[in-house]
Amino acid sequence: DAKTTQPNSMESNEEEPVHLPCNHSTISGTDYIHWYRQLPSQGPEYVIHGLTSNVNNRMASLAIAEDRKSSTLILHRATLRDAAVYYCILRPGGGADGLTFGKGTHLIIQP
Amino acid sequence: GAVVSQHPSWVICKSGTSVKIECRSLDFQATTMFWYRQFPKQSLMLMATSNEGSKATYEQGVEKDKFLINHASLTLSTLTVTSAHPEDSSFYICSARSSTSFSGANVLTFGAGSRLTVL
Repeated sequence: DAKTTQPNSMESNEEEPVHLPCNHSTISGTDYIHWYRQLPSQGPEYVIHGLTSNVNNRMASLAIAEDRKSSTLILHRATLRDAAVYYCILRPGGGADGLTFGKGTHLIIQP
Repeated sequence: GAVVSQHPSWVICKSGTSVKIECRSLDFQATTMFWYRQFPKQSLMLMATSNEGSKATYEQGVEKDKFLINHASLTLSTLTVTSAHPEDSSFYICSARSSTSFSGANVLTFGAGSRLTVL
C-alpha cells in the first residue's frame, strides 16, 4: 500500500467539528482512500472511503484534494464516543490483500 | 451490514498450552480472512491471509508452525497459537471482505478482537 502521513494526535472539544488530515503524495490513479477508526480495546471499524469526489455518509465526510495528494476526514459534531485512533489507508481498487495500518491519529475529545 | 464475530473476546492461558481463536462472518461468505496482531500502544500488524480451502499465506517473520490457521468453510477461520509463551500475549483481530460490500473498493469488516494473556 502507498504510504500515508497523519499527525500523531489531535484534540478537539465535544460538539465541535473535527478535521483530520492525511497526506498521500504517492497515491496512484487507482488507489481508493479509506478511513477506519479503532475505539479503545476494539477492532477497527470502517468509516468512509472515496476515490476522487468528496463523500458523505452518516458517520463522516471525506474531502479529497483535487490532485488527490491529500484528504481530510471531517467529523461534523464530535462526541466523546468519537475518541479513537483514526487510520487513513490507500487501497488499490479491486485489490484482495489485507490492509496495511500506519500509526494513525489519536483523536482526543474534551468534554 | 457485514458482521464479523470473534470468540473468545479474551483468554488467559498457561505458558506452553495452545489457544484457539475463532473468526466467523455472520451474514456473508468470506473466501479470504485476515489475521492481525496488535501490541499495546502499537498499530495493527498483518500476520497472515487465510484462504478458504487452501493454505494460509503468512507475512514475513510470522512463524507458521506457531500460528496455525484453518479456513475450513466460507464463514469460519481459526487461529491457533501453539505452545503459547508470555511474548505471544497480544490483541488478535480478524477481518474479512464481503463481496457485496462496496465492491471494488475492498472495504474490510473487522472482528472485535481477542485479547490473549499468557502467564
